[in-house]
Amino acid sequence: GAVVSQHPSWVICKSGTSVKIECRSLDFQATTMFWYRQFPKQSLMLMATSNEGSKATYEQGVEKDKFLINHASLTLSTLTVTSAHPEDSSFYICSASLVGAKNIQYFGAGTRLSVL
Amino acid sequence: AQTVTQSQPEMSVQEAETVTLSCTYDTSESDYYLFWYKQPPSRQMILVIRQEAYKQQNATENRFSVNFQKAAKSFSLKISDSQLGDAAMYFCAYREDRGSTLGRLYFGRGTQLTVWP
Repeated sequence: GAVVSQHPSWVICKSGTSVKIECRSLDFQATTMFWYRQFPKQSLMLMATSNEGSKATYEQGVEKDKFLINHASLTLSTLTVTSAHPEDSSFYICSASLVGAKNIQYFGAGTRLSVL
Repeated sequence: AQTVTQSQPEMSVQEAETVTLSCTYDTSESDYYLFWYKQPPSRQMILVIRQEAYKQQNATENRFSVNFQKAAKSFSLKISDSQLGDAAMYFCAYREDRGSTLGRLYFGRGTQLTVWP
């Protein structure tokens, strides 16, 4: 299957700093990427849908100025957590889809963010 | 919004036995996709099996098969000959078929599967 690379896998940062997470589709072009947040032992919560070359669509309750998403190319989307606080600590997962490839979403391995 | 319900927070099965995980969903659409994803302790989401709503035949992938009941909006996963490596959190997911536009996935709350040796 298609490969989605997510980096970093784990990041620790100080409160008030910004953290950037990258999501790359390695062997296909992803017109759409999705960003999820997952709390321990809970389901995935969709944060935003990222379309190449256009602004991301955020889910209700997700602060777009807090979670900046950029999808500048067909193989790369980034999520920047700005002015991170301890409550932003979570597991963030991206996925990428290619229309026609059985319409399957392929997931990255996730990023564990710990804000001190 | 569409909802996906997994009524079993936890399930367990003996190695080599069969286990069925339940999933129901709510939608007014006629065309959609259903998925089962597996999330092992590594937390990497892995696609287990997928079903197109327009297909009456139940999907099968080796030891994994589904029982898709469209009228009842039910989509259960059967794991045969369970292996220790099957231990994971299993998520049922739904997505609309929007043609050339990809819709979002709606996930259930998950079922934690334990496999006993």
